[in-house]
Amino acid sequence: GENVEQHPSTLSVQEGDSAVIKCTYSDSASNYFPWYKQELGKGPQLIIDIRSNVGEKKDQRIAVTLNKTAKHFSLHITETQPEDSAVYFCAASAYSGYALNFGKGTSLLVTP
Amino acid sequence: DGGITQSPKYLFRKEGQNVTLSCEQNLNHDAMYWYRQDPGQGLRLIYYSQIVNDFQKGDIAEGYSVSREKKESFPLTVTSAQKNPTAFYLCASSWKGAEQYFGPGTRLTVT
Repeated sequence: GENVEQHPSTLSVQEGDSAVIKCTYSDSASNYFPWYKQELGKGPQLIIDIRSNVGEKKDQRIAVTLNKTAKHFSLHITETQPEDSAVYFCAASAYSGYALNFGKGTSLLVTP
Repeated sequence: DGGITQSPKYLFRKEGQNVTLSCEQNLNHDAMYWYRQDPGQGLRLIYYSQIVNDFQKGDIAEGYSVSREKKESFPLTVTSAQKNPTAFYLCASSWKGAEQYFGPGTRLTVT
């Protein structure tokens, strides 16, 4: 089955700096890669996703890049703000709408 | 007010008792999912359903059961056979081929 690895497990940055979280996947059939943000005690919130026919996608301060050859994808957050502090999860699936395989999460702390 | 609701937010049970977690959605989504989250872990799939009256086991289905009698409802029963039931349970839904959206979760504690 699919195995998704996520690094780092914790990340601390100063407000205004950039944060990068990286994930690798094992199943070459995977073609859908969402990122979720989870605040304490709440359900995960979809923040951005990418499909395998696209190499990069941006939404304001958030971007995701995908390297299909190397089987890795990354989340980039620019100009970080304290409200970006949360746990971020990457996931992979052979088809959006099917079950997702999640990484173990990255706890991001943005300090003022 | 559209979305996915899970109730209750907190649930306490004694060991040996079955307990059912509720998940309802009014988004007209076809598919629904149950995940389990443990501290410091990612989400692990318990069961999912692509259509009414049909569901498939996920990676950790042992000790759990589900039903999908209505499109908007996908209850999860944690049975006494589940050896470590204390966890945060998350329900999600999606249209076919589209993004999954999560509910607020139910924290189950079994003592």
